[in-house]
Amino acid sequence: DTGVSQDPRHKITKRGQNVTFRCDPISEHNRLYWYRQTLGQGPEFLTYFQNEAQLEKSRLLSDRFSAERPKGSFSTLEIQRTEQGDSAMYLCASSLPLGLAGGSTDTQYFGPGTRLTVL
Amino acid sequence: AQSVTQLGSHVSVSEGALVLLRCNYSSSVPPYLFWYVQYPNQGLQLLLKYTSAATLVKGINGFEAEFKKSETSFHLTKPSAHMSDAAEYFCAVTANFGNEKLTFGTGTRLTIIP
Repeated sequence: DTGVSQDPRHKITKRGQNVTFRCDPISEHNRLYWYRQTLGQGPEFLTYFQNEAQLEKSRLLSDRFSAERPKGSFSTLEIQRTEQGDSAMYLCASSLPLGLAGGSTDTQYFGPGTRLTVL
Repeated sequence: AQSVTQLGSHVSVSEGALVLLRCNYSSSVPPYLFWYVQYPNQGLQLLLKYTSAATLVKGINGFEAEFKKSETSFHLTKPSAHMSDAAEYFCAVTANFGNEKLTFGTGTRLTIIP
């Protein structure tokens, strides 16, 4: 179990540029989640996937944000035309398949996050 | 809809003293509740979780929490604080009918006084 990994760990960009983050979940975890955490706040849900299907998107996820999980393994989160308000820590988490977790809800395991700074 | 409220954004305790971090929840369905810890510039690590089994839940690093439905609370405690416990702590709630999104509180920063 190598844990959830995220790349890059830090990203500094200029306003208006596009950025893309990658998340590699724990193998065999079919659920993958994206959260955003701003300074002094708890993480806020953005979106989640079951395998390659994107099942829910938060209203926080504007049209400039897009997430994909094309083969049901790793996921990417792209932000187009970044704004200073996008500066935050972007966290990825994964969890076990339903029915295999000894219950209906299992633990979400978090990666180290990608810290985005928009200048 | 679900939410959690963490009372006290900052808590300071002396090394060796009791740690008590407060969390109250609101949920229209039976909840699953979690406590996560976050060290600087790191992701979140699960401390413990309540999933409708025992109401007193024991976690890692000597932490435990008790689910009290009548008080809608899930407070986190540790009998004796250690310097390494200094971190940010988040309470979170989700519905108990699937691997659902977590709704987090705003966090409590724990400082340990030597």
